[in-house]
Amino acid sequence: AQTVTQSQPEMSVQEAETVTLSCTYDTSENNYYLFWYKQPPSRQMILVIRQEAYKQQNATENRFSVNFQKAAKSFSLKISDSQLGDTAMYFCAFRGYLNTGNQFYFGTGTSLTVIP
Amino acid sequence: GAGVSQSPSNKVTEKGKDVELRCDPISGHTALYWYRQRLGQGLEFLIYFQGNSAPDKSGLPSDRFSAERTGESVSTLTIQRTQQEDSAVYLCASSQGVAETETQYFGPGTRLLVL
Repeated sequence: AQTVTQSQPEMSVQEAETVTLSCTYDTSENNYYLFWYKQPPSRQMILVIRQEAYKQQNATENRFSVNFQKAAKSFSLKISDSQLGDTAMYFCAFRGYLNTGNQFYFGTGTSLTVIP
Repeated sequence: GAGVSQSPSNKVTEKGKDVELRCDPISGHTALYWYRQRLGQGLEFLIYFQGNSAPDKSGLPSDRFSAERTGESVSTLTIQRTQQEDSAVYLCASSQGVAETETQYFGPGTRLLVL
């Protein structure tokens, strides 16, 4: 079974600073997809960034970037120039290609607070 | 365009009663997912629909849970004889297709409280 682990239940960062959220996963597949989702208090899940495992280049979306280490099965999210609107729960998710069907596997989340 | 909508946004029910939760996916999205999110937990996959194919029900926790979807439109998740452990937020998501690159778009969820 695929597992996704987020070892930081809570984190905080000063506004305008940089913060990194960690995520590790376990899989026997070679091709897969990794995602970071943001869930603000409104409960709306919003896709932040996506990484295909076959791509060596780390994905970047404006202030959000990932550090994808395939051999280590690590997928961390870096948020630069943190803003108050970044306060939310952040979930790391895995989707396989061959053996996991259509399921997404989510971690337990990291609650991020941006301090003004 | 309109996003994924869910109703009701909140539901309080008594133990033993049946509840129906509704999801309206984005128009044209063929794939639809239901997830359960318990307090302080991640998302737990429940069921997946793709077009007219047989749904993937592998995540349903018991036979008290069922879901239907007519074509590529509305889906309802039904929980029969609700138990207190069913209390959670139920999230629905849709995507254009089944390719691994497809992005899921989530609704705001239904918060269910079973007393």
